[in-house]
Amino acid sequence: GAGVSQSPSNKVTEKGKDVELRCDPISGHTALYWYRQSLGQGLEFLIYFQGNSAPDKSGLPSDRFSAERTGGSVSTLTIQRTQQEDSAVYLCASSQGLRGAETQYFGPGTRLLVL
Amino acid sequence: QKEVEQDPGPLSVPEGAIVSLNCTYSNSAFQYFMWYRQYSRKGPELLMYTYSSGNKEDGRFTAQVDKSSKYISLFIRDSQPSDSATYLCARESSGGYNKLIFGAGTRLAVHP
Repeated sequence: GAGVSQSPSNKVTEKGKDVELRCDPISGHTALYWYRQSLGQGLEFLIYFQGNSAPDKSGLPSDRFSAERTGGSVSTLTIQRTQQEDSAVYLCASSQGLRGAETQYFGPGTRLLVL
Repeated sequence: QKEVEQDPGPLSVPEGAIVSLNCTYSNSAFQYFMWYRQYSRKGPELLMYTYSSGNKEDGRFTAQVDKSSKYISLFIRDSQPSDSATYLCARESSGGYNKLIFGAGTRLAVHP
C-alpha cells in the first residue's frame, strides 16, 4: 500500500518568508510525528499527534513553528519568518497509534533551504 | 553530553566484512532501543528494535544492548554494497515509547 508522502520534496525560500510543509500519513494511522534532520545531525523530534488528543509540541524550537492535523489525517507544518538555521530536512512519520512501542514509518522528507 | 552519542563515520568496508556500529547513551532508565537505516535522500526505515538487555538477531543483522555500559551495537555479517546507508540508533524518551531520541547516524559504505 501507499506509504507516507510529503510535499514538496524540495523548497527554497528567502529569509523572512513563511513556508508550509505537508504530510499525508499511511491510511488508518492515528499517530503522526514531525522530525527535523539538520546536516550531520540526528533526527530531532518536533511534534506528535495521537488521535484526537492534544498534540505534544514539546520539541518545537520556537513559536515560529506550528503544526496542525486536519480530520485526523493530513498534517501541515508551518514555519513563519524563516531563518537560515531552519534549513534542514523535515521528516514526517506515522504509526498505528497502539499502546506501547511501535514502528514509525517515515516519508521521504522535505528539503528546506532558506537563503 | 548528548543523550545518544554515535560516531558519524564514514565507515568504509569491503564486501563480505563484518560491520560493527555502536552508540552510547547517558540515561540507563530506558529499555527500548532501535536501529534505523536511511538510504540517501530517503526517510529512515526501522531495521531492528530491542527491549532491555541482550541480543536480537534477524538474518545478517544482530542488535545488542549492554545496559551496564550503556552501549548499543548493531552487527552486520557478510556486508553487501546494498547495506551502504546511514544507520541511526534511537531510544525511547521520557515522553514515551514513541517520542524517540536519535543519534547523529553513522554513514556506512560497503565497496565491492
